[in-house]
Amino acid sequence: DAGVIQSPRHEVTEMGQEVTLRCKPISGHNSLFWYRQTMMRGLELLIYFNNNVPIDDSGMPEDRFSAKMPNASFSTLKIQPSEPRDSAVYFCASSFRQGNYGYTFGSGTRLTVV
Amino acid sequence: GENVEQHPSTLSVQEGDSAVIKCTYSDSASNYFPWYKQELGKRPQLIIDIRSNVGEKKDQRIAVTLNKTAKHFSLHITETQPEDSAVYFCAAYGNEKLTFGTGTRLTIIP
Repeated sequence: DAGVIQSPRHEVTEMGQEVTLRCKPISGHNSLFWYRQTMMRGLELLIYFNNNVPIDDSGMPEDRFSAKMPNASFSTLKIQPSEPRDSAVYFCASSFRQGNYGYTFGSGTRLTVV
Repeated sequence: GENVEQHPSTLSVQEGDSAVIKCTYSDSASNYFPWYKQELGKRPQLIIDIRSNVGEKKDQRIAVTLNKTAKHFSLHITETQPEDSAVYFCAAYGNEKLTFGTGTRLTIIP
């Protein structure tokens, strides 16, 4: 298994532009999680899905952030419009049975908004 | 919701010595406690976990202990090596998700 696959690995964009981050979970995993990591705030859970359904999006910082999971093998996190304070590493993770067997993280997307 | 506190935030130990990282959790219903290691620029990776029906688990130089009554669990690394330098996160599973601690930056001094 190739693990959790995220793209792109790095993204540099100008303030105000739309950014789309992509994630392919491990086949068979039924839960998917989006995290943001910064030095100041650590690992923050943004949103998670069970069986493609969004369960808890209380961590999404603002309406500028949105996430979708149209099927079991693909999810997107979109920021529109992007701001410099959105600069962070964004991790996607997937798990079997909501995480009671641990999460597998993707390699992350390092986002820089200038 | 669940709240996980982790201490210390930074830890430096001499190579060969032991390192201990401690976490507490708030939800007595939490039943699964994994530990993740994140090397610089890499993803967090699961290194060991323990379930609530077990008090201790070992894997070579790494061990985890769990005290359900006190609601705390700890990671123990013995005979530390330079490659153990990383950020370590504890987590507790409850309410259908993992809640992570804030991380401990472990530095092994050669």
